[in-house]
Amino acid sequence: EIVLTQSPATLSLSPGERATLSCRASQSVSSYLAWYQQKPGQAPRLLIYDASNRATGIPARFSGSGSGTDFTLTISSLEPEDFAIYYCQQRSNWPPLTFGGGTRVEIK
Amino acid sequence: EVQLVESGGGLVQPGGSLRLSCAASGFTFSSYEMNWVRQAPGRGLEWISYISDSGGTIYYADSVKGRFTISRDNAKNSLYLQMNSLRAEDTALYYCANRGLGARPGYFGYWGQGTLVTVSS
Repeated sequence: EIVLTQSPATLSLSPGERATLSCRASQSVSSYLAWYQQKPGQAPRLLIYDASNRATGIPARFSGSGSGTDFTLTISSLEPEDFAIYYCQQRSNWPPLTFGGGTRVEIK
Repeated sequence: EVQLVESGGGLVQPGGSLRLSCAASGFTFSSYEMNWVRQAPGRGLEWISYISDSGGTIYYADSVKGRFTISRDNAKNSLYLQMNSLRAEDTALYYCANRGLGARPGYFGYWGQGTLVTVSS
């Protein structure tokens, strides 16, 4: 099973700042990695798939990069609605499909 | 508009059973694989089961293998999860999900709102 480790657990930032979230895989997942955003009381929303492809309707301030074992989700300038929990997920070697433990982006 | 609507959750005693349903609309259900993903209260996401578009390929997470059964009825645009031998650690919000437009199988572009399963005596 591929284990995904996200860091940091919590990121405290102000609106307008840049957010950089990390996801590390226990073995290579090639580029088969996605990022999701989840707000309280809502289902997760797909932001990025295949490491760097924005899903339909996702603003350009969200970008993904990386391959192999190290991945990054960048939010170029935080909007108030971006404060949420972010999860990475791999589909390289499955079953099982696995998620990271999440990074909470909170208002500083 | 794509909609996935889960139902069937509730309170059940340890060792009991429950059947979840997911009603799909707004897309050609029979052309898409489907999944169940759960989230324990205050915790992260856990994929638990996959079924191919025809139902011919099925996968489970080890945590539910042998206890849960995924199935689908393409004529009714519906997905199911039969959950037996329920444990306290199965308490979670259960989502049905599929890849959505443009993404590959194994990603989750469309999600329902979830149905809550509570296993407690």
